[in-house]
Amino acid sequence: KNQVEQSPQSLIILEGKNCTLQCNYTVSPFSNLRWYKQDTGRGPVSLTIMTFSENTKSNGRYTATLDADTKQSSLHITASQLSDSASYICVVSEGSNYQLIWGAGTKLIIKP
Amino acid sequence: DAGVIQSPRHEVTEMGQEVTLRCKPISGHNSLFWYRQTMMRGLELLIYFNNNVPIDDSGMPEDRFSAKMPNASFSTLKIQPSEPRDSAVYFCASRIAGPSGETQYFGPGTRLLVL
Repeated sequence: KNQVEQSPQSLIILEGKNCTLQCNYTVSPFSNLRWYKQDTGRGPVSLTIMTFSENTKSNGRYTATLDADTKQSSLHITASQLSDSASYICVVSEGSNYQLIWGAGTKLIIKP
Repeated sequence: DAGVIQSPRHEVTEMGQEVTLRCKPISGHNSLFWYRQTMMRGLELLIYFNNNVPIDDSGMPEDRFSAKMPNASFSTLKIQPSEPRDSAVYFCASRIAGPSGETQYFGPGTRLLVL
């Protein structure tokens, strides 16, 4: 069964600290993996996208990694800011034209 | 670019009433998706259109839900009759159809509360 599992479910860190969010998937065939950021009351916004051959992708202070062998991905946030408070959702594309398997998300809270 | 536009942003209605949610996709995008998001179930795909044609509606909960896309710039999701368990945030997303690498762009959502 195609699944995407994220951990932790929620995380609270102090402003300026780094953090890493995890994503494990059992989706086959694999096409690509995305990380979305969803601010409270808004729709998800794409942060990064990685295909099978990509190991890492950066977007400013966000760095995503992908290990296609172990079917794991991580999202590392450097020098966190209050505006990073949001839910971060890992999404894996099944390889068909549109089927996306969504994780439940990690709720990140940055405290001053 | 105005992005994906959804209306209304908030809707409060009573059980049994008809609810119509509206979506205007990004100009030039030819795929449109309707999602529902709840705390319990996360994001769920309800239906997907490609070039105004419904491709997959297997996520539509039941016959009370229907979606239409009469043209490339407008889609509706209708719930009739509405029930309290339909309370959720409904998102519309659009993208340019092609290999699954194309990113979906989400609207701000419609927050629906059925009393």
